[in-house]
Amino acid sequence: QVQLVESGGGVVQPGGSLRLSCAASGFTFSSYAMHWVRQAPGKGLEWVAVISYDGSNTYYADSVKGRFTISRDNSKNTLYLQMNSLRAEDTAVCYCTRGGSGTAMTQFDPWGQGTLVTVSS
Amino acid sequence: QSALTQPPSASGSPGQSVIISCTGTSSDIGGYNYVSWYQQHPGKAPKLMIYEVSKRPSGVPDRFSGSKSGNTASLTVSGLQAEDEADYYCNSYAGSNNLVFGGGTKLTVL
Repeated sequence: QVQLVESGGGVVQPGGSLRLSCAASGFTFSSYAMHWVRQAPGKGLEWVAVISYDGSNTYYADSVKGRFTISRDNSKNTLYLQMNSLRAEDTAVCYCTRGGSGTAMTQFDPWGQGTLVTVSS
Repeated sequence: QSALTQPPSASGSPGQSVIISCTGTSSDIGGYNYVSWYQQHPGKAPKLMIYEVSKRPSGVPDRFSGSKSGNTASLTVSGLQAEDEADYYCNSYAGSNNLVFGGGTKLTVL
């Protein structure tokens, strides 16, 4: 079955960096755009970034632009999120999720279980 | 990009119907038929319930339906069941490769 498993979360100091990974299985990873979506504790969902099926195009929410980088390795069926210059407000559960089969921006399905990023001194 | 507007809470008794609204602008909901809805139970990952305004993924009960009028999208849950109690989020494409979520609605089954 289709499965997404995130890893790499943890506690980091303000200004620090962290790299998240998302291992995909059960579908042709290289055929789908992939997204990162985050959720601060007790808050709603926030779209973070998207990468095209072949990695040639990436787009970001204004709140992370210039600090976060989304990438993928289709040979390893893995999605990444490099997070730099982290701030307290970046504290959140980060989910990886698959985009639509046609247009990348139509839906998020399925979702991983999420990995918690805590930015604190 | 501003978040879409959802009511913080909604409720209904078992068997009743509930409608959750999601209001945006002509730059997001009103401009594209790319509205989706997600169900999230406490401590769990979100689940896709509706995509492209009114399409239902396989496995989602037909008690869930979606619609749109102008800048407002709606999720209708008919025949409420206890397991429908959860948080619901709308999402829309907002142009220029941006996506925006609503603030979420907590649905309580009385």
